[in-house]
Amino acid sequence: ETGVTQTPRHLVMGMTNKKSLKCEQHLGHNAMYWYKQSAKKPLELMFVYNFKEQTENNSVPSRFSPECPNSSHLFLHLHTLQPEDSALYLCASSLHSAGTGNQPQHFGDGTRLSIL
Amino acid sequence: DQQVKQNSPSLSVQEGRISILNCDYTNSMFDYFLWYKKYPAEGPTFLISISSIKDKNEDGRFTVFLNKSAKHLSLHIVPSQPGDSAVYFCAASAEGGTSYGKLTFGQGTILTVHP
Repeated sequence: ETGVTQTPRHLVMGMTNKKSLKCEQHLGHNAMYWYKQSAKKPLELMFVYNFKEQTENNSVPSRFSPECPNSSHLFLHLHTLQPEDSALYLCASSLHSAGTGNQPQHFGDGTRLSIL
Repeated sequence: DQQVKQNSPSLSVQEGRISILNCDYTNSMFDYFLWYKKYPAEGPTFLISISSIKDKNEDGRFTVFLNKSAKHLSLHIVPSQPGDSAVYFCAASAEGGTSYGKLTFGQGTILTVHP
């Protein structure tokens, strides 16, 4: 139990569907992150939120739309995805996004997304 | 352009022996380095970290060494145990510049510890 919970664990969707991934952290952290891990590639940072404000968008296509209603919840809204978007999507949190110093990021177990 | 590289996709070690996982980086702005461990169907778990002001950090069976001049770090696990079998990711971040607050990950090394 890492304190970061992601739902659903698995998601299969068509290219025209709209779905959302959810992340919740119970650690009292103020920064939350979305990462993408494709097969045989390093984890790629997608978005960073610090105190509910987006501080980083790592050139992510607009078909991925993040939402952070409060410091404990983070969503990733998906629409008109492509087959190459099939990947493991990981959420993480840390005390703050600035100065990672002694504040490692804590990860959820991810959502395995498959686009048909 | 991959700024953090783990050139060994896999490593196999006998139980009780030392496991050495290597990581190289190219961005001289990186000043904080972390190792994560990942089991199948789970997210990465933080293992150990090191700041660029140090060249060694130890936590139980895990020691991380940093060679700034060579832009190289390594994770030593001794003695290795079968439960250490997992994928190990090296990650780096910088306090300033465009990498501020961002973790950049390597591709991972699959460690298998045989009984």
